[in-house]
Amino acid sequence: QITLKESGPTLVRPTQTLTLTCSISGFSLSTRGMNVGWIRQPPGKPLEWVALIDWDSSERFSPSLQNRVRITRDTSKNQVLLTLANVSPQDTGTYFCARRNGHFQRFDFWGPGVLVSVSS
Amino acid sequence: QSVLTQPPSVSGAPNQSVTISCIGGPSNIGAGFDVHWYQHFPGAAPRLLMYGFTYRHSGVSDRFSGSQSTTSASLAITGLQADDEADYYCQSYDSRLNAVIFGGGTKLTVL
Repeated sequence: QITLKESGPTLVRPTQTLTLTCSISGFSLSTRGMNVGWIRQPPGKPLEWVALIDWDSSERFSPSLQNRVRITRDTSKNQVLLTLANVSPQDTGTYFCARRNGHFQRFDFWGPGVLVSVSS
Repeated sequence: QSVLTQPPSVSGAPNQSVTISCIGGPSNIGAGFDVHWYQHFPGAAPRLLMYGFTYRHSGVSDRFSGSQSTTSASLAITGLQADDEADYYCQSYDSRLNAVIFGGGTKLTVL
């Protein structure tokens, strides 16, 4: 059974760094073609892609966030970490991690999401 | 403003059919990148419905179908049911932006 679950702080102060963890089971982060991405949804707005890490550790970022975002993985713990620096209230939203299947490059399994608020 | 354009809302009566469009351009759908569709209930995880324009994800009802044209894609839902009421998103890749892209989402209301 493939599952993903996000965890992290629910409240972050402006200018701080947000770190979120995606814990994975049912597949390996090292399997060729399997990638993990982060997607967020600000309140009342559509889904927005944030970052992606490939099976070979290649990293890709949203152009609008690439100066502030990093994505790493720990294969021994089956975890993918997202860090977003210098957060502002515009970073408030629900953050989802999802598996991107190399075949057709679709996000086929998603975590339930974690709601993060950026506020002083 | 999303690179993939979807109608903000569509509606239909029970048992009727609706179609949701996803209009792209030459650097995404027109460049040959696949389109996928997701169903999203507020407060829940998005769910993959269709991938590669026309392939139904495991467990998805055959009331859902997808189609493609040169720079656009469509999701059709037949035999509308009350529990189809959700937000629907298309997703692809854009080579000019070098980014995964989502449409702006379409809210389906079952009257």
